[in-house]
Amino acid sequence: NAGVTQTPKFQVLKTGQSMTLQCAQDMNHEYMSWYRQDPGMGLRLIHYSVGAGITDQGEVPNGYNVSRSTTEDFPLRLLSAAPSQTSVYFCASSYSGPGNEKLFFGSGTQLSVL
Amino acid sequence: GESVGLHLPTLSVQEGDNSIINCAYSNSASDYFIWYKQESGKGPQFIIDIRSNMDKRQGQRVTVLLNKTVKHLSLQIAATQPGDSAVYFCAENIPDYKLSFGAGTTVTVRA
Repeated sequence: NAGVTQTPKFQVLKTGQSMTLQCAQDMNHEYMSWYRQDPGMGLRLIHYSVGAGITDQGEVPNGYNVSRSTTEDFPLRLLSAAPSQTSVYFCASSYSGPGNEKLFFGSGTQLSVL
Repeated sequence: GESVGLHLPTLSVQEGDNSIINCAYSNSASDYFIWYKQESGKGPQFIIDIRSNMDKRQGQRVTVLLNKTVKHLSLQIAATQPGDSAVYFCAENIPDYKLSFGAGTTVTVRA
């Protein structure tokens, strides 16, 4: 059972480049979310989805897009990378959402924007 | 054991002692609280949770206490072991699917 799988583990981008961070889960979870983690700031919610076809903004959505075409996948797109987006990104999922049960986290993607 | 009266970013504890990690949460409407442990290079892992209608919940070597009057949450780890060295985050569920995390406390266990 793979759980939550994130790819890539590491990525270096130049300012202005675009890329997609992949997230897949095999637990049939309806709820999926993206967080970024910066030193001394904990994790901040970027976007989340409560099911296929439904997405919503979190605390820090600017500069990021998401879509949810299937239950399993929830990719995060950086449209035009900026140095301020240098961070560690985590994808997390649960069956019914964070108000009812724990989230399962992926192992993270470390992104550097030069 | 050692205790942290207010949230501090680091905690050093002797192996075998008890640890207490404190957390202040922000929203009086929060109804569900979770403690996560994050080891270096890994994603957060669930430790224990508690709902707002409870004051205390115990797990294996861990206890979470919730004081809604002062919006305070604590995690107690009994007989701290080297494997407990990690960053510990408290998180509160603000209604409508938003889980908000604290800044974290780095626990270092001294042999």
